[in-house]
Amino acid sequence: AQKVTQAQTEISVVEKEDVTLDCVYETRDTTYYLFWYKQPPSGELVFLIRRNSFDEQNEISGRYSWNFQKSTSSFNFTITASQVVDSAVYFCALNVPNNNDMRFGAGTRLTVKP
Amino acid sequence: NAGVMQNPRHLVRRRGQEARLRCSPMKGHSHVYWYRQLPEEGLKFMVYLQKENIIDESGMPKERFSAEFPKEGPSILRIQQVVRGDSAAYFCASSPRTGGGEKLFFGSGTQLSVL
Repeated sequence: AQKVTQAQTEISVVEKEDVTLDCVYETRDTTYYLFWYKQPPSGELVFLIRRNSFDEQNEISGRYSWNFQKSTSSFNFTITASQVVDSAVYFCALNVPNNNDMRFGAGTRLTVKP
Repeated sequence: NAGVMQNPRHLVRRRGQEARLRCSPMKGHSHVYWYRQLPEEGLKFMVYLQKENIIDESGMPKERFSAEFPKEGPSILRIQQVVRGDSAAYFCASSPRTGGGEKLFFGSGTQLSVL
């Protein structure tokens, strides 16, 4: 069975601070895919990144970076120099091949104050 | 290229009524997923459909809930005889392919409130 845990329910930071959102996953499959989605107040989930289990290279996209560590089953997400527009709920998710059920964590609500 | 369209955005029903939620996938996408989000929880998978076929309904409650994706028209999630516990946000997602690991494109959701 697959499981995703986002232990941080809510995080509040001041603009320009760096913030890391934690994600820990569980699966017995050796091939799997990890995702991060952003849910702004408008409600629509916005895709941020997908990573497969064979690619442990960390990724940076502008102010966003992701740290994938199989040894600790973690796929953490860091926002550098946070901005008010980053305020949203962020979901980490896990999927395995031939499985239609993408498992989501409970989400972390990030509030960035000016 | 329009995204995934869901309507209505908000739906209010009284206990015992029927709720119909609509989802039009992105152009070119033939795979549709429905998820339910309860307050302060992540999204929970309900059902996966392709045109005219239900492929996986393992997350769907056995009673009162049904889904379809006809050859023409949007996908419909139907909840009969709604109860207060059905109050939630229902999200539809689509993808051009399947097989696990596919990026899903989500709609803005339908917020169902049962009075």
